[in-house]
Amino acid sequence: GAVVSQHPSRVICKSGTSVKIECRSLDFQATTMFWYRQFPKQSLMLMATSNEGSKATYEQGVEKDKFLINHASLTLSTLTVTSAHPEDSSFYICSARDLVRGSGYTFGSGTRLTVV
Amino acid sequence: GEDVEQSLFLSVREGDSSVINCTYTDSSSTYLYWYKQEPGAGLQLLTYIFSNMDMKQDQRLTVLLNKKDKHLSLRIADTQTGDSAIYFCAERETSYDKVIFGPGTSLSVIP
Repeated sequence: GAVVSQHPSRVICKSGTSVKIECRSLDFQATTMFWYRQFPKQSLMLMATSNEGSKATYEQGVEKDKFLINHASLTLSTLTVTSAHPEDSSFYICSARDLVRGSGYTFGSGTRLTVV
Repeated sequence: GEDVEQSLFLSVREGDSSVINCTYTDSSSTYLYWYKQEPGAGLQLLTYIFSNMDMKQDQRLTVLLNKKDKHLSLRIADTQTGDSAIYFCAERETSYDKVIFGPGTSLSVIP
């Protein structure tokens, strides 16, 4: 089935630095990918929709300058958390949909970001 | 706006059936999904149902959809300890390629 690979799975960074998270569709092309954020014991909140070759669409309340999204190819989207602060610590998950195979959204394994 | 609701906790004995319920508000939803999340992991798609279906069965999983009441349920037969996880109900809006998640139901299976 469709596979989405997300790296790194876990990252610890210092406050003020930037962190890049990669999301790859391994066996299908994804013109659209999605980035979610999940706080402990809470549901997933959609942050933005990443569109290949164009600007991402951000959800209300999400700072586009803080969370930079690049979708330069049909198999790769990246989320960069710029000038990270402890409140950015969270679980970030990406997903994509294989339009050829079906209508389920496949999720990456997630990235646990801890800002110290 | 769109909203998806679920009960937060469910506890069952091993071997019993589990039923996780979900309600949603967007009547234009086309697909409804059930995802499973184990601690520290991403989400695993368990099953999905198209809005013109009433029921879908896949091995131990049965999904029932009552479109009139906007109610979705997931039944897990012969629940095992490995089924302990958080289960998310999600809907996909017709107009947008966007999925809205419920708060998740934490299923605990007692041996």
